[in-house]
Formats: sequence, C-alpha cells, structure tokens
Amino acid sequence: DAKTTQPNSMESNEEEPVHLPCNHSTISGTDYIHWYRQLPSQGPEYVIHGLTSNVNNRMASLAIAEDRKSSTLILHRATLRDAAVYYCILSFLTSGTYKYIFGTGTRLKVLA
Amino acid sequence: DGGITQSPKYLFRKEGQNVTLSCEQNLNHDAMYWYRQDPGQGLRLIYYSQIVNDFQKGDIAEGYSVSREKKESFPLTVTSAQKNPTAFYLCATKWTGISYEQYFGPGTRLTVT
Repeated sequence: DAKTTQPNSMESNEEEPVHLPCNHSTISGTDYIHWYRQLPSQGPEYVIHGLTSNVNNRMASLAIAEDRKSSTLILHRATLRDAAVYYCILSFLTSGTYKYIFGTGTRLKVLA
Repeated sequence: DGGITQSPKYLFRKEGQNVTLSCEQNLNHDAMYWYRQDPGQGLRLIYYSQIVNDFQKGDIAEGYSVSREKKESFPLTVTSAQKNPTAFYLCATKWTGISYEQYFGPGTRLTVT
C-alpha cells in the first residue's frame, strides 16, 4: 500500500497562509489524495481531496505535483480554529470499496 | 439529524472481557469502517464493510470481530485476544463511488485495566 510522509509539526501566524506538504512517492495512478484534520478527542474532519488537478473549496486548496508524488494543502488565512492535526491520506479501490491509508499527520500550531 | 453515532464516548473494562462498541449511521452510506488510534498516532484500519453481510479485514484485525447485519449498523467487538485494547476507536462511513469522502463519528475511548 502507498504511504504518505508529512512533517511532524508546523507553526503559522494567525491570518497568514499555511502550506502543509505531503510526500507520496509510491502513489499509484488511480490513488486519490485526501486531506483530513482532527481536533483532540474528535473524529477527523474532511478538508479536501483530488486526483490530478489542483482543487479549491471553501476550506482550503490542494496543489498536486505534476508527477503526483507530492501535494500541498494550502490554508489561505490561518485562524486559531485551524489548529489541528492534518492528515494526508491516499485512498484506493480494493474489494469493491475505497481503503484509506493514514499517515502520522502534521500538528499545526497557529500563533495569535 | 443525519450523522454517525458512536456510544458510549468512554468505556472501561477489565482485562479478559470482550466488549462491543456501537456504530450507527442514518446517512444511508453503503461503506462503513472501523479505525483504531493510539496517542500521537494516525488511524489504523481494523475492518471495513461495503455491503450488508460482507466485511473485510484491515491492517490490524487480529483480536477484533465485526458484523454487518443491517446497513445502518456496524458493531465492533474487542475480544480478550486483543493484547493492547486501550485506544480511541473511530467509526466512519462513505458513499460508494469514485471519490466521496469518509464521514467520521465522534469516537469511543476504550480503557482496559
């Protein structure tokens, strides 16, 4: 199964952009790239996902490298509520359903 | 309200006892998943199910069992064979389809002493 590699932690100042990197050099052609975030003692929350093209939604943007071996989650203006652990995940189809492989995540600290 | 219910939020058991964690959903999602999370770690897949009466082992299925008798319910039993059962357990659901996201429940924190 493909794996993802993320920095353990990052810091950002409030209202500044944040770029969270993820390496997935063993990604297969049909694997999707997902990002979730998790607050303490809560279930993860979906942020964004993509396959090949860059994606934007109300929460964030996802920039995917041309060779798909890395991606970057972009929070355009970090707020204190964005402080969480961010997981970069690959999903792939197996036995008729999608399986998700979680990495260890990046803990984002937002400074006021 | 649509959503995923996991109960209870906190569960305490003595070593050697089996315990069943509940996961119920009213999102009409086909696929359901169970994950385990240890402190400071990512999520690891225990079992997943695409349809009723069918489920597959994930990466760490040993010591766990599941059933899927109804679309809405996917209970997880932590058996006495699980050597380190204390953890945070998360249930998730998903539409069948190309790339829909998973929805997670609030989790159950199990402590076995």
